[in-house]
Amino acid sequence: DGGITQSPKYLFRKEGQNVTLSCEQNLNHDAMYWYRQDPGQGLRLIYYSQIVNDFQKGDIAEGYSVSREKKESFPLTVTSAQKNPTAFYLCASSIDGGGDGYTFGSGTRLTVV
Amino acid sequence: GNSVTQMEGPVTLSEEAFLTINCTYTATGYPSLFWYVQYPGEGLQLLLKATKADDKGSNKGFEATYRKETTSFHLEKGSVQVSDSAVYFCALLSGAGSYQLTFGKGTKLSVIP
Repeated sequence: DGGITQSPKYLFRKEGQNVTLSCEQNLNHDAMYWYRQDPGQGLRLIYYSQIVNDFQKGDIAEGYSVSREKKESFPLTVTSAQKNPTAFYLCASSIDGGGDGYTFGSGTRLTVV
Repeated sequence: GNSVTQMEGPVTLSEEAFLTINCTYTATGYPSLFWYVQYPGEGLQLLLKATKADDKGSNKGFEATYRKETTSFHLEKGSVQVSDSAVYFCALLSGAGSYQLTFGKGTKLSVIP
């Protein structure tokens, strides 16, 4: 079955360490997205990529970095510059601009201690 | 800019009760509108969508009508079940090729037997 796989589901890191969250899709979707979800704040866009080797900042890109070297993969690195990294991170993909809706992964819960 | 406002939760209903979750939006042009559902610990799933004024989206007994005159897209279900307990997100996509879905903050629904 086609879908989006995020790994790991739970991640613990010490403060000051960089950490990379994985996102892989086998839907042949061109566009991929990273959202951050915090209680009571809904979803906020971190980065998105329309095609391979191209990506744009979303509303809260500071302290994060991404790459898009393959169509199937869109990893997110949470750097030590991110002041409050503990959150639930969701990856999504869409065929084009998202007019048919996004497909979401099941998320990674990152806890920084 | 674009924005989505949802009624604040949590909403608690008895099984078989009627559900309404209000959603209003602000956007330029002619956005597409969506409802997503998130079950505990999971990613979001597309519930229904509407792409133009007066369109009605429907799925699994849920309905929402795109009302341009009131800039609204309220979610309704005639008889909720315990399995409908989840967080519901209203979202908009501002025009073709937008690539940026704007979400409301979500409304948590709890259905009790």
